[in-house]
Amino acid sequence: AQSVTQLDSQVPVFEEAPVELRCNYSSSVSVYLFWYVQYPNQGLQLLLKYLSGSTLVKGINGFEAEFNKSQTSFHLRKPSVHISDTAEYFCAANSGGSNYKLTFGKGTLLTVNP
Amino acid sequence: SQTIHQWPATLVQPVGSPLSLECTVEGTSNPNLYWYRQAAGRGLQLLFYSVGIGQISSEVPQNLSASRPQDRQFILSSKKLLLSDSGFYLCAWQSGSGSGELFFGEGSRLTVL
Repeated sequence: AQSVTQLDSQVPVFEEAPVELRCNYSSSVSVYLFWYVQYPNQGLQLLLKYLSGSTLVKGINGFEAEFNKSQTSFHLRKPSVHISDTAEYFCAANSGGSNYKLTFGKGTLLTVNP
Repeated sequence: SQTIHQWPATLVQPVGSPLSLECTVEGTSNPNLYWYRQAAGRGLQLLFYSVGIGQISSEVPQNLSASRPQDRQFILSSKKLLLSDSGFYLCAWQSGSGSGELFFGEGSRLTVL
């Protein structure tokens, strides 16, 4: 069964610092990968996704993620964070196709301090 | 474009009372539909999913139920709420011909007292 591990439950950083949120997945077949962001009391919003092709994926709000098949990782990065990036971030995976349930990680709370 | 709406946004109910949360999707046909729950300090728990009208799959045993009376309508119900049913409920849809990503509603905050 697919599993997704987000290695950090909380990541505090200062404004304008770089950040990396880590995600590892387990799968023996091809995999689609996603990062979502959730602001307080809101639904989840898709940040970016990896389906195939270039391993560096760019998303909204200046975020990017790199797919690393050998390390089964899909870490999310931003070179300079803002206060407004404070939110919960979820990594998710499925084994491909449109009728497959996503497996979510437990989430990483990113807190950006002034 | 596709949109998804959930209501009510917030709900405070006494223990033992019934529940009905509704979710509708517009701008797409035959979507897969999902109900998730987030308890305080926890991640996302998949409760139900549906691949078509009247087709419901339950992921965890509980006193909740789901129904899909129309193609783009998904309802989460309970006959008697428990304290442990408190949480943030999220509805999501998935295209039947896309890459598998989910699109989420705004969420419904349920507090059971």
